[in-house]
Amino acid sequence: QQQVRQSPQSLTVWEGETAILNCSYENSAFDYFPWYQQFPGEGPALLIAIRSVSDKKEDGGFTIFFNKREKNLSLHIKDSQPGDSATYFCAADASSGSWQLIFGSGTQLTVMP
Amino acid sequence: NAGVIQTPRHKVTGKGQEATLWCEPISGHSAVFWYRQTIVQGLEFLTYFRNQAPIDDSGMPKERFSAQMPNQSHSTLKIQSTQPQDSAVYLCASSPGQVNTQYFGPGTRLLVL
Repeated sequence: QQQVRQSPQSLTVWEGETAILNCSYENSAFDYFPWYQQFPGEGPALLIAIRSVSDKKEDGGFTIFFNKREKNLSLHIKDSQPGDSATYFCAADASSGSWQLIFGSGTQLTVMP
Repeated sequence: NAGVIQTPRHKVTGKGQEATLWCEPISGHSAVFWYRQTIVQGLEFLTYFRNQAPIDDSGMPKERFSAQMPNQSHSTLKIQSTQPQDSAVYLCASSPGQVNTQYFGPGTRLLVL
């Protein structure tokens, strides 16, 4: 049972375009959603996060749009650069008293120059 | 400002041997987490500590895996009688504790032959 789902599995965009990565979840108790960026051979790096009381969060060229009613969110990467090519993970706080994060399977983003 | 430190970065063991993985959290962080990452299963939570006390080990395989945090500056994950299916990247993360913001280390890539 996959509690956090990501789509697409892979995404290719051209340099300068906006990349849109999608995430949905099943458990309505989830209330904290971080996105992580991971390059090969490295650990995941926290990119941006949102709490369920908000519907939008911006940080630099990264924006999260959150829809609590539909239980989905998306990460928009504006003006994508080849250096943004990485795997992006959506995660959710289990919110059961534990702070374990439940991760989606990731979206592999390729930005073509 | 050092991030989470994990040693060794790579470890190769023979089937049946013991493996001990080390993690040094970011100074001042009170929560430490262990995750495992494989191609097939993705990122899976294993266990976590807060103020050195074990809080949630629901992701730990009940046999052969154990984790400790003897002091605030390091945590260990021990795998006894390693099996080929234990091959994975083991990731440690730490959090300052007030909010569930987790910062990951580079991981230890374990290969069991």
